[in-house]
Amino acid sequence: SAVISQKPSRDICQRGTSLTIQCQVDSQVTMMFWYRQQPGQSLTLIATANQGSEATYESGFVIDKFPISRPNLTFSTLTVSNMSPEDSSIYLCSVELYGPNTEAFFGQGTRLTVV
Amino acid sequence: KQEVTQIPAALSVPEGENLVLNCSFTDSAIYNLQWFRQDPGKGLTSLLLIQSSQREQTSGRLNASLDKSSGRSTLYIAASQPGDSATYLCAVRGYQKVTFGTGTKLQVIP
Repeated sequence: SAVISQKPSRDICQRGTSLTIQCQVDSQVTMMFWYRQQPGQSLTLIATANQGSEATYESGFVIDKFPISRPNLTFSTLTVSNMSPEDSSIYLCSVELYGPNTEAFFGQGTRLTVV
Repeated sequence: KQEVTQIPAALSVPEGENLVLNCSFTDSAIYNLQWFRQDPGKGLTSLLLIQSSQREQTSGRLNASLDKSSGRSTLYIAASQPGDSATYLCAVRGYQKVTFGTGTKLQVIP
């Protein structure tokens, strides 16, 4: 399995500010995925991050609000910009370690509270 | 659009019971189905992965089955323990993306 480290594990932020979440994997992977889990809800895919190209965003998510970087095959960041209380969620990164459509592994998540 | 539903939403059982969690999905064109557990406020831990060509997978006290044609999967937990208390999520890998179910919150009472 993969070791996926997310930082920070939790944060409390003021509305209008931005937070950057880091995801580090101990293996090289082609695609990394960012999910949001709102309180009491299941996971929703925000975007897929490919190394060397623009991230692909799902319907309802835009790059200005959730910019993503993918500088190499083991690291990605997700920024939550101009935060509002509605952004309070758990944010998780995920990888398919053995290639597309294989077993997915998740980081421990970042619990974000916006006040 | 893939929709994934899990029943029941919550389940409380005494320790030692065998139990079954259900997952249903609307589009049978899938690569695989994966079961996860999630502890409160934490990330997801992978339990079992079933490829679309497989019927079941087993790991310890866990057994997951897949009936792709009917759009159903079950997770069987044998001899439940208090440490099994968590939310269980199924995730369906379609041709475009992964879709998660709504989850079953399990409580095993000592």
